[in-house]
Amino acid sequence: AQSVTQLGSHVSVSEGALVLLRCNYSSSVPPYLFWYVQYPNQGLQLLLKYTSAATLVKGINGFEAEFKKSETSFHLTKPSAHMSDAAEYFCAVWGTGNQFYFGTGTSLTVIP
Amino acid sequence: SAVISQKPSRDICQRGTSLTIQCQVDSQVTMMFWYRQQPGQSLTLIATANQGSEATYESGFVIDKFPISRPNLTFSTLTVSNMSPEDSSIYLCSGGDRLVDTEAFFGQGTRLTVV
Repeated sequence: AQSVTQLGSHVSVSEGALVLLRCNYSSSVPPYLFWYVQYPNQGLQLLLKYTSAATLVKGINGFEAEFKKSETSFHLTKPSAHMSDAAEYFCAVWGTGNQFYFGTGTSLTVIP
Repeated sequence: SAVISQKPSRDICQRGTSLTIQCQVDSQVTMMFWYRQQPGQSLTLIATANQGSEATYESGFVIDKFPISRPNLTFSTLTVSNMSPEDSSIYLCSGGDRLVDTEAFFGQGTRLTVV
């Protein structure tokens, strides 16, 4: 069975500081992993995805994530936070039953 | 990338009534999904909408409460029937093709409040 765990339901960073959102996955097969962002009152937008190619995945808006099999992790990072990054972030794994399994989400607050 | 238009974007409904949510995709997609997102929580899959056959429901969701239609590869509807305040939530549709190699695209969501 597949699942993801997002550590930290709320993360606050200062503008210009490093953003680190944590995601650990559980999968019995090579995983397909995704990060989605949800801005207030909007649907989900794909930030980036890992599908067994390069382990360091670059996404939109300066975000990237590194797939670490040994740690079963897929943490999302951005070197310098911007006010516009404030949103809800979801990690997801594509799994059995041809469906996504979403984490519980991390709300990112950026402090000016 | 596909664009999914979902409507209505929000609605306030009386208990006991039903609301139908529509999703239109600008291209044909093999798979469409309906999710519920309760306040402050993650997405819960309601069902997979199958073109030309009955939807496949997840545990805890039944067709009588959430009937789904998928008449073609670009359109689907979800009805929330006999609503109660507990149905107040955001409902999201999602679709995609070759989802393992691409990604799922999401509609903007429908924010439903039942009073």
